[in-house]
Amino acid sequence: NAGVTQTPKFRVLKTGQSMTLLCAQDMNHEYMYWYRQDPGMGLRLIHYSVGEGTTAKGEVPDGYNVSRLKKQNFLLGLESAAPSQTSVYFCATDRVGSVDTQYFGPGTRLTVL
Amino acid sequence: GNSVTQMEGPVTLSEEAFLTINCTYTATGYPSLFWYVQYPGEGLQLLLKATKADDKGSNKGFEATYRKETTSFHLEKGSVQVSDSAVYFCALALYGNKLVFGAGTILRVKS
Repeated sequence: NAGVTQTPKFRVLKTGQSMTLLCAQDMNHEYMYWYRQDPGMGLRLIHYSVGEGTTAKGEVPDGYNVSRLKKQNFLLGLESAAPSQTSVYFCATDRVGSVDTQYFGPGTRLTVL
Repeated sequence: GNSVTQMEGPVTLSEEAFLTINCTYTATGYPSLFWYVQYPGEGLQLLLKATKADDKGSNKGFEATYRKETTSFHLEKGSVQVSDSAVYFCALALYGNKLVFGAGTILRVKS
């Protein structure tokens, strides 16, 4: 039972390159989220999904796309990376209708040069 | 809008000292309130929560009381340990499971 895993753990990109971050969960949770964490700003919600095949925008969605083709996976894409997207990215999941807790992955540290 | 304000860090304490990390919130309704902890190199973990006014959340010696009159949810611990060194995030949730986080407070405990 791995919980929430994120791939990769670290990545360095050049401006304009693209990449996809993968979040995988084995808890059968319906809801999945992508956050970014920046110094002094806490975590900000990028996109989220309330079930397979659905996605919605969060607080800071610009420059990112997401897909939820399978219930257990939530992908975050950067089509043309910019230095402003240098951050630590966290995935999280929780049960339907529950605000009790979100389970977080270990994070992906992305640097865009 | 909805927001969470935490005291700025870092907070540096000696082992066995008393800890308070202040958290206040602004919300358009009646939120649930949370404290999350992030240990070095790890993701966030729920530390404690409170879902209505006057509720007290507690876990691992940490406590926080939901104060509606002062819109606060301050985190306290009577005697900190070196292992408590981490970043602490206050957060609220209103509708649809979307959490709103504070900026985080770094706690450093020296032996």
